[in-house]
Amino acid sequence: EDKVVQSPLSLVVHEGDTVTLNCSYEVTNFRSLLWYKQEKKAPTFLFMLTSSGIEKKSGRLSSILDKKELFSILNITATQTGDSAVYLCAVEGVADKLIFGTGTRLQVFP
Amino acid sequence: DVKVTQSSRYLVKRTGEKVFLECVQDMDHENMFWYRQDPGLGLRLIYFSYDVKMKEKGDIPEGYSVSREKKERFSLILESASTNQTSMYLCASSFRTGDVYEQYFGPGTRLTVT
Repeated sequence: EDKVVQSPLSLVVHEGDTVTLNCSYEVTNFRSLLWYKQEKKAPTFLFMLTSSGIEKKSGRLSSILDKKELFSILNITATQTGDSAVYLCAVEGVADKLIFGTGTRLQVFP
Repeated sequence: DVKVTQSSRYLVKRTGEKVFLECVQDMDHENMFWYRQDPGLGLRLIYFSYDVKMKEKGDIPEGYSVSREKKERFSLILESASTNQTSMYLCASSFRTGDVYEQYFGPGTRLTVT
């Protein structure tokens, strides 16, 4: 059965800290891995990763994929209170379907 | 901007009622999806559709049906609502071009069944 597991389940940090969120997967016919940020509304797209070892960056956020070890990490440097959200990892498998992890809840305090 | 809209942000229905949740996208996307999101369970796929009049069951289709009569509109139907269908419902549409794939979500409908 396809599954996506995220860790930790929740994280509490202070502004300025750096955090690393983990996503491991076992998915048949892997095509891509996507990261989303969800505040009190619908998820918003952050990154899509298809190739191992190539880092994607957007401001203070970066992500990398390891297709051999079947995991991805999302790094956030110099965290701000606006980074507080649930971060979702999803893997695209058979027939364009996305399998989601349960998310990591990040809380950043001033 | 991609726009996926859902007919209601909040909805309260009684047990046994028939419930329609509407989703419309304006990007001419082929694929549309319905998920439900519950604490501790993440997003779970209910149904999806690759094209007009085509539908496929997701992971938890029981108690739901869907309709896609037009490309831009994908409806989720609860034939007889039950309290265990109280949840946040998210619609999404997606496109793929070569190796690029993106999925966009609507704002969600929080359904309460009493």
